[in-house]
Amino acid sequence: GNSVTQMEGPVTLSEEAFLTINCTYTATGYPSLFWYVQYPGEGLQLLLKATKADDKGSNKGFEATYRKETTSFHLEKGSVQVSDSAVYFCALSGSGGYQKVTFGTGTKLQVIP
Amino acid sequence: EPEVTQTPSHQVTQMGQEVILRCVPISNHLYFYWYRQILGQKVEFLVSFYNNEISEKSEIFDDQFSVERPDGSNFTLKIRSTKLEDSAMYFCASRGVVGGSGGEQYFGPGTRLTVT
Repeated sequence: GNSVTQMEGPVTLSEEAFLTINCTYTATGYPSLFWYVQYPGEGLQLLLKATKADDKGSNKGFEATYRKETTSFHLEKGSVQVSDSAVYFCALSGSGGYQKVTFGTGTKLQVIP
Repeated sequence: EPEVTQTPSHQVTQMGQEVILRCVPISNHLYFYWYRQILGQKVEFLVSFYNNEISEKSEIFDDQFSVERPDGSNFTLKIRSTKLEDSAMYFCASRGVVGGSGGEQYFGPGTRLTVT
């Protein structure tokens, strides 16, 4: 079945530091890949997505590139802010059927001033 | 911007009681989902619903769970006899596109269920 593996947290960074959260996946076919963000006490928000190999998803300064050869979708941001503190989930949905989303375990990011 | 809404935001119930969690998906969406997140753990798929029937369910979704779309707008999750281990955040999601890939799911804010 499909699965997503992402780096363990928590990750603590100083403001303006560079962020990378690693994510790799296992799936059959050609899944769509997502990063969701969950701010404290809130629900899940779609941060960015990519639907095919070599696509780059981007939003709010965050980027991730769909790498089929390495089955990876690492999240990056050049300069984090305190407001980026949240839990980040890597996820995928299959290319057929009813496309349930399979989530990784989540990585908690804390940005300190 | 259209959004998925869920009520209540927090539900406290006693073990063995029935609970109904309610969701209003985005109005023109066709696929509906329930997920749960036990505190500190990852989000897990429960069930998907399309064309007024369950299209897929996980092993978590046993006979204690049921879903319904009683009218054109609501989508509900019922737990018949709650157990302590049902305590979790429950997320509803909906998706619009028919077939293909890339149609992301829009998630509601969640209902926190606490079983005592």
